[in-house]
Amino acid sequence: DVKVTQSSRYLVKRTGEKVFLECVQDMDHENMFWYRQDPGLGLRLIYFSYDVKMKEKGDIPEGYSVSREKKERFSLILESASTNQTSMYLCASSSVRGFVHEQFFGPGTRLTVL
Amino acid sequence: GENVEQHPSTLSVQEGDSAVIKCTYSDSASNYFPWYKQELGKRPQLIIDIRSNVGEKKDQRIAVTLNKTAKHFSLHITETQPEDSAVYFCAANDGTASKLTFGTGTRLQVTL
Repeated sequence: DVKVTQSSRYLVKRTGEKVFLECVQDMDHENMFWYRQDPGLGLRLIYFSYDVKMKEKGDIPEGYSVSREKKERFSLILESASTNQTSMYLCASSSVRGFVHEQFFGPGTRLTVL
Repeated sequence: GENVEQHPSTLSVQEGDSAVIKCTYSDSASNYFPWYKQELGKRPQLIIDIRSNVGEKKDQRIAVTLNKTAKHFSLHITETQPEDSAVYFCAANDGTASKLTFGTGTRLQVTL
């Protein structure tokens, strides 16, 4: 059974703070993704990684960076948090084995930036 | 890049009725179209998917249809039940199957 966990369910930070969101998966998946979810906007891809130390920009990478030092862990970093980064952040992982690359999501981190 | 549009944004049906959610995509290289269901306070989960070499796929009360020529695909839920109430997201891949672009979601409410 795939398990994707995120470091916090709720997080409150102040404007200008550096914020780390951690995601860990236990299924040896090659791909990992970070999305943000906002009402009416769906799931928007911030960054993804298809291998250790590899990263690709998604649709909304501005203001974010990522780190993938180990296969099971993918971190999202907000270098200087701003109020417009208040959102739900979802991590996901998928395998490249076979054609169907079902993405398994974590429970989400609701980040509030004051 | 890929653009996925989803309609309607909200849908209310009576229990037992059918529900249809429609999506269009822009990238002709897309060949994988999954649908995810997100219940309130829960994470999105895959409920059904379809590949571009298939026109229709069915799994019990849910079915998905794909029209490659028109670049649209639809989710059909028959005999709706209260537990079908959730937000549904369509998605399309970028041709490699790994990266997905999601639609904006449809909030389905099944009333008694």
